[in-house]
Amino acid sequence: DQQVKQNSPSLSVQEGRISILNCDYTNSMFDYFLWYKKYPAEGPTFLISISSIKDKNEDGRFTVFLNKSAKHLSLHIVPSQPGDSAVYFCAAPANAGNNRKLIWGLGTSLAVNP
Amino acid sequence: DAGITQSPRHKVTETGTPVTLRCHQTENHRYMYWYRQDPGHGLRLIHYSYGVKDTDKGEVSDGYSVSRSKTEDFLLTLESATSSQTSVYFCAISPAGDKAFFGQGTRLTVV
Repeated sequence: DQQVKQNSPSLSVQEGRISILNCDYTNSMFDYFLWYKKYPAEGPTFLISISSIKDKNEDGRFTVFLNKSAKHLSLHIVPSQPGDSAVYFCAAPANAGNNRKLIWGLGTSLAVNP
Repeated sequence: DAGITQSPRHKVTETGTPVTLRCHQTENHRYMYWYRQDPGHGLRLIHYSYGVKDTDKGEVSDGYSVSRSKTEDFLLTLESATSSQTSVYFCAISPAGDKAFFGQGTRLTVV
């Protein structure tokens, strides 16, 4: 049972337009969310995060929105650039006993077309 | 790259042979993780460690074992490699179990 879901396996947008990547979660105990970007043949890299006490966090062209009542978050990229073409993963830390580990979505492959 | 190194970066091995992948960090982070990434499956956790000699299973731990005898090293062993273990393996480190930093990956092919 997936606790973090990215229902769109792929997304294609034109350069300069907005990219919106979505993520849904089922566990209301999640209090922190992260987005990672992954290029082929490289490890994922941290992009942006948001705490559950906020509903928005912005870093340059990247903004993450959190809707706790809907258990939904989204990553907005404005304007989109060809270099943003990558797989984007949504993740949330979960408690495992006294330890924590990240729960991952399956990822959304973004293609930004020139 | 956040002081994390995976070795080897590429390996081809035969079915039934043991294989060990190494993850080395210079950040002194408490948590270390091994993931595998396969098309359509995202990142799946194999095993993780929350301290020296403290490890726990992830969601796809069958056929894998791990050891962490030092803070900086986390080894992943495939006791008897199978073709289903052909994958890209990523090590990650984290100070507190949330934000994680990943290595460059190891591409393992079992023939």
